[in-house]
Amino acid sequence: ETGVTQSPTHLIKTRGQQVTLRCSSQSGHNTVSWYQQALGQGPQFIFQYYREEENGRGNFPPRFSGLQFPNYSSELNVNALELDDSALYLCASRRTAQTGELFFGEGSRLTVL
Amino acid sequence: AQTVTQSQPEMSVQEAETVTLSCTYDTSESDYYLFWYKQPPSRQMILVIRQEAYKQQNATENRFSVNFQKAAKSFSLKISDSQLGDAAMYFCAYRSGTQGGSEKLVFGKGTKLTVNP
Repeated sequence: ETGVTQSPTHLIKTRGQQVTLRCSSQSGHNTVSWYQQALGQGPQFIFQYYREEENGRGNFPPRFSGLQFPNYSSELNVNALELDDSALYLCASRRTAQTGELFFGEGSRLTVL
Repeated sequence: AQTVTQSQPEMSVQEAETVTLSCTYDTSESDYYLFWYKQPPSRQMILVIRQEAYKQQNATENRFSVNFQKAAKSFSLKISDSQLGDAAMYFCAYRSGTQGGSEKLVFGKGTKLTVNP
């Protein structure tokens, strides 16, 4: 158990819709990052939040946005869904003072039809 | 930009035997971290082992060890005494050690390990 939980575990949306994925981290985990893992691929970094502010972003368009809350929970929002957004979305968090290890959740599997 | 390459899409090993998974990476940085993560069917990424680039000694964690060749930019994972529970996808990952930057991990495409009884 990593102490990172994600919801929902599975969901299906249609093209053009919007989706919100949620993550709950361990107490004290000030840094949270989100990854997209397409089928058969390694995870790709979407963005990172530290103390409720975005402080790093990968090659993802602005329709991917996020929020981090003081209670160590966070959200990933995706607008105008496209078929290629179908993937497993992973949340990972850690204490800033701790070097190296990220604790991952089990992911949310999004299917866009 | 940094890249991570895992050239073995699939590997198999007999229970109790040893297997080595390969990983190469490309970077111009001198300070970085390397990781091996395991992703079982439950989908949760679990850290197997980590290596700091400034450390010459290869990391070991029980049955797991790495062969870190900094000049060759190679970072292989050796699993000794393989167990059925080791069956999973294994991902090699890179993280910059630059202070103040994002802590993004760059992952390879993974190697699916099958353990045969």
